Amino acid sequence: GAVVSQHPSRVICKSGTSVKIECRSLDFQATTMFWYRQFPKKSLMLMATSNEGSKATYEQGVEKDKFLINHASLTLSTLTVTSAHPEDSSFYICSVGTEAFFGQGTRLTVV
Amino acid sequence: DAKTTQPPSMDCAEGRAANLPCNHSTISGNEYVYWYRQIHSQGPQYIIHGLKNNETNEMASLIITEDRKSSTLILPHATLRDTAVYYCIVRVAGSAGNQFYFGTGTSLTVIP
Repeated sequence: GAVVSQHPSRVICKSGTSVKIECRSLDFQATTMFWYRQFPKKSLMLMATSNEGSKATYEQGVEKDKFLINHASLTLSTLTVTSAHPEDSSFYICSVGTEAFFGQGTRLTVV
Repeated sequence: DAKTTQPPSMDCAEGRAANLPCNHSTISGNEYVYWYRQIHSQGPQYIIHGLKNNETNEMASLIITEDRKSSTLILPHATLRDTAVYYCIVRVAGSAGNQFYFGTGTSLTVIP
């Protein structure tokens, strides 16, 4: 299966700052990647579909101006949490490929 | 929205078979059933998937009922490392790709 790498694995940021999370497909060229969010003891929630070379598609209720997605190449998608607040603290996970191979996730804590 | 329902938790004795059920009564004819598991604070791991026939791989077996309204994931000899949350997902093929909508999953605890 595809090897997916996320960076960073953990990040702590101050309220009001922006944080960028990278998702790299190491051995698979992905025209589409998916971003999920997971709160403690909850299931994964699909946030958006990242499309290489075009705009991302966001799920209902997800603020596109809050969660900026860029998919500039076939191996890299980035998720930027803008003006982060404590309620944005969560586990963010990306996936790649039709069989949904997942990255190891990024634990974001906003203080 | 998730189209599956699973029991919230199950226990299984180490070395015994773990049978995890999933209901997907509204599944469409061209939708697959996927199973993933998530160990705490890690990304989900792919286990197996199927359309209508039973499937087996090195990790597990997937039994799908003839009407496709339910399925069972079988871990033949559960080990302590199989303790995880197991998600049954119906794959929706959309224009933007193949989105996966997760349900609440089953928390499996393998007991020594």
